[in-house]
Parts: sequence; C-alpha cells; structure tokens
Amino acid sequence: AQSVAQPEDQVNVAEGNPLTVKCTYSVSGNPYLFWYVQYPNRGLQFLLKYITGDNLVKGSYGFEAEFNKSQTSFHLKKPSALVSDSALYFCAVRGYNTDKLIFGTGTRLQVFP
Amino acid sequence: EAGVVQSPRYKIIEKKQPVAFWCNPISGHNTLYWYLQNLGQGPELLIRYENEEAVDDSQLPKDRFSAERLKGVDSTLKIQPAELGDSAVYLCASSFTGAPHEQFFGPGTRLTVL
Repeated sequence: AQSVAQPEDQVNVAEGNPLTVKCTYSVSGNPYLFWYVQYPNRGLQFLLKYITGDNLVKGSYGFEAEFNKSQTSFHLKKPSALVSDSALYFCAVRGYNTDKLIFGTGTRLQVFP
Repeated sequence: EAGVVQSPRYKIIEKKQPVAFWCNPISGHNTLYWYLQNLGQGPELLIRYENEEAVDDSQLPKDRFSAERLKGVDSTLKIQPAELGDSAVYLCASSFTGAPHEQFFGPGTRLTVL
C-alpha cells in the first residue's frame, strides 16, 4: 500500500536561513512525488514534482526537492526562507501503476523575521 | 488561464439537511477529483472522474454522498442528509489524464454542520 510520512508537524526557521521540510514515502515500483503548499482558506497549490531523471527537482518560488531512492525520501528545500513562505506544506505520492494520489498529514512552516 | 472554480466557498447548515457543492475544472482537464480535508489533515480522495465516468468511488460514503459529472465538465457533490461529522473542507481538483500529471486544486468549500 502507498503511504507518505511527514515526520514534523511544524518547522520553524529564521528568514534568510535555509529550510528543509521532510517527506518519506512507501510505494510499489517507481514513485511519482509531489509537493503542494496551502495558504489559509486557499486550496492546494502545486510546487514541484519528481517523475524521473535528475534527482534534484526545481519548482516554483525558489523551492527544490531532492529525490533519494535508497532512503525513500523527497525532502523539500529552499536556500533562503522568506516570511511569505509561511504556510502548510503537503507531500504526496502516486505509484507508477496506480492513479491514486496519497497525501501526507502536512507540515506547517513558520518563518520568523 | 482560469483555475478550478468552486462554489459556494462557505456553507453552514443544520444536521439532516441536504447540501451541494459545485466545481468547474480547468478547461481541457478530463480528470476531476473530489477530496475531503479535515482540519490538520491532508486531502483524502472521495471520487475520481475520467470524463463523465466515475472510475474510483471506493472512498465515497454512498449511503449519504452522491456525485455527478454530466457532460464530462462541471461536477456536483451532494450530501443528504448531512451529519455533524461531515464538517470539513471539500476540495475539487482537475488534471490531464495520467499519473505523472499534477492536479490543480480549487479553493474548496468549507462546510459547517450544526
């Protein structure tokens, strides 16, 4: 069965510092991996995805994520955090031979000035 | 390009009343999804449509929930009768068909059942 784990309910970081939001997954076969961000009272907004190829994926707003097959991880990163990055972040996985997208429970990112 | 449109944005009803949510997907997206999002949780799939066909409704509580996607474009999700535990955000999403394609989400409808 597919599953996604986001081990941190909240991540706090100072503005200008690098940030990492962790995600690990379990899926049969090769995974499709996604990161979404949700601002208050808004729907989920797509940030980036890994399908195949280069393990480092670049997405919107300066975010990137690194796919690590041996550790079954897909951590979201940004070199320099902004206060406006404060939001709820969701990791999601979809197996190669399934059509169902499974979301993690979300990690709240708080960037302090 | 217009995004996924949902209405209403907020709905407050009393238990046992019916309620309906409407979704208009992004033009050209033939796959449409309805998700349930409880507070502090990730979205959970209720039903997925490929054009007008419901291809995955295994998580839809069919005793009280129903959905339709006539003509393969707009979709309506209905609850009848609503229960207190149905209070949540109902999200609609759309995408091109196929696993690699990302889903685009609407703003959601926040339902409160009193």
